[in-house]
Amino acid sequence: KQEVTQIPAALSVPEGENLVLNCSFTDSAIYNLQWFRQDPGKGLTSLLLIQSSQREQTSGRLNASLDKSSGRSTLYIAASQPGDSATYLCAVQPTTTGGFKTIFGAGTRLFVKA
Amino acid sequence: DVKVTQSSRYLVKRTGEKVFLECVQDMDHENMFWYRQDPGLGLRLIYFSYDVKMKEKGDIPEGYSVSREKKERFSLILESASTNQTSMYLCASSLGGLTGSGNTIYFGEGSWLTVV
Repeated sequence: KQEVTQIPAALSVPEGENLVLNCSFTDSAIYNLQWFRQDPGKGLTSLLLIQSSQREQTSGRLNASLDKSSGRSTLYIAASQPGDSATYLCAVQPTTTGGFKTIFGAGTRLFVKA
Repeated sequence: DVKVTQSSRYLVKRTGEKVFLECVQDMDHENMFWYRQDPGLGLRLIYFSYDVKMKEKGDIPEGYSVSREKKERFSLILESASTNQTSMYLCASSLGGLTGSGNTIYFGEGSWLTVV
């Protein structure tokens, strides 16, 4: 059974710091891995999607990597800002469920101090 | 930009009431989903639909039903609301046919339901 783990559960950093959020998954049979951001009381916003054949994706200050064979992904945030404070979730779409049953991690709660 | 709209952001309902949560997407997506999100339990899939009038149970379908009469609209129904259904409900959609593979999932803003 696919499981997704995110470490750390919470992180507090000063503004301007570069940081890395980690995501691991137990089964490499996935279609893709997606990173989301969730602000308190709101829905999830898609940040980056990496297909299983890709190694990384970039959007602005965000860079996500995928190592499918080792079951790991990282989200790198450059020059963090207070506005980056949110919960970040990663999710995989297992091929065994036809891609419909996305498995989500519990998230990393990030706080960027001004 | 993809827009997934959940019509009600905050609802308070009484135990035993029938509750409708509505979701509309404007990007002609085939797939639509209903999740609930609870502290410590994360996101759990209730139902999904890959086409009009098609529906499949997710991981926690008990106490819920769904309706998809039009491609853009996916409704979640609580036939008889109970206090353990107090939660944040999230609707989502994505492109893709039967396989549902490889496509970005877009979420609505969420509906906070309190059952008293």
